[in-house]
Amino acid sequence: AQSVAQPEDQVNVAEGNPLTVKCTYSVSGNPYLFWYVQYPNRGLQFLLKYITGDNLVKGSYGFEAEFNKSQTSFHLKKPSALVSDSALYFCAVFGGYQKVTFGIGTKLQVIP
Amino acid sequence: NAGVMQNPRHLVRRRGQEARLRCSPMKGHSHVYWYRQLPEEGLKFMVYLQKENIIDESGMPKERFSAEFPKEGPSILRIQQVVRGDSAAYFCASSPPTRDGYTFGSGTRLTVV
Repeated sequence: AQSVAQPEDQVNVAEGNPLTVKCTYSVSGNPYLFWYVQYPNRGLQFLLKYITGDNLVKGSYGFEAEFNKSQTSFHLKKPSALVSDSALYFCAVFGGYQKVTFGIGTKLQVIP
Repeated sequence: NAGVMQNPRHLVRRRGQEARLRCSPMKGHSHVYWYRQLPEEGLKFMVYLQKENIIDESGMPKERFSAEFPKEGPSILRIQQVVRGDSAAYFCASSPPTRDGYTFGSGTRLTVV
C-alpha cells in the first residue's frame, strides 16, 4: 500500500525567509509525486510533480521540490516566502494504480 | 476547457435526507475520483470510477454511500439518510488514462443540520 507522511501540521516562516514543507512517501515501484495547494474554501491547485528525470522539480509560484530516492522524500521549498503563500499544502503519491494518495496536509503560515 | 465542474458548491441537508453531488470531468478525461476532506484529517480517497464502471471503492463507507459514472452525464456521489458526521467537503478529480493531468474540482461543501 502506498502512503504519504507530512510530519508537520503547521509551518511558520517569516516573509522573505526560505520555506520548507516536508514530505516522505512509501510506494511500490517508481513513484509519481505531487504537491497541491489549497486556499481557504477553495479546491486543490496543482503546484508541481515529479515523474522521472531531474530530481529538482520547479513548479508554479516559485516553488520547487527535490526528489530524494534514498530518503524517500519530496520536500517542497521556496527561496523567499510571501504572505500570499499562506495556505494548506498537500503532498501526494501515485504508485502502481491510478489512485493518488494524499498526506494529511501542512498549514503554511507566512508572517509579515 | 472548463476544468472539472462540481455542483452544487454548497449543499445543506437535514438529517435523514439524501444528498446528491455531481461532478463533470474535464473534456477528454475518462477517469473520476472522489475524495472527502474532514477538518484535521486531510483528503481521504473514496472511490475511483471509469465510464459505467467502479474500479476501486475501497474508501467508500459500506452503507448509505454510492457512486456512479454513467455513459452520459456527470458522475454522481449519493449519500442516503445523511447524518451530521457526513458534513465535509467532497472533492472530485478527473484524469485521462495516463498518470498525468490529475485535476480537481472546487468541491461541494455538505452541511448536515
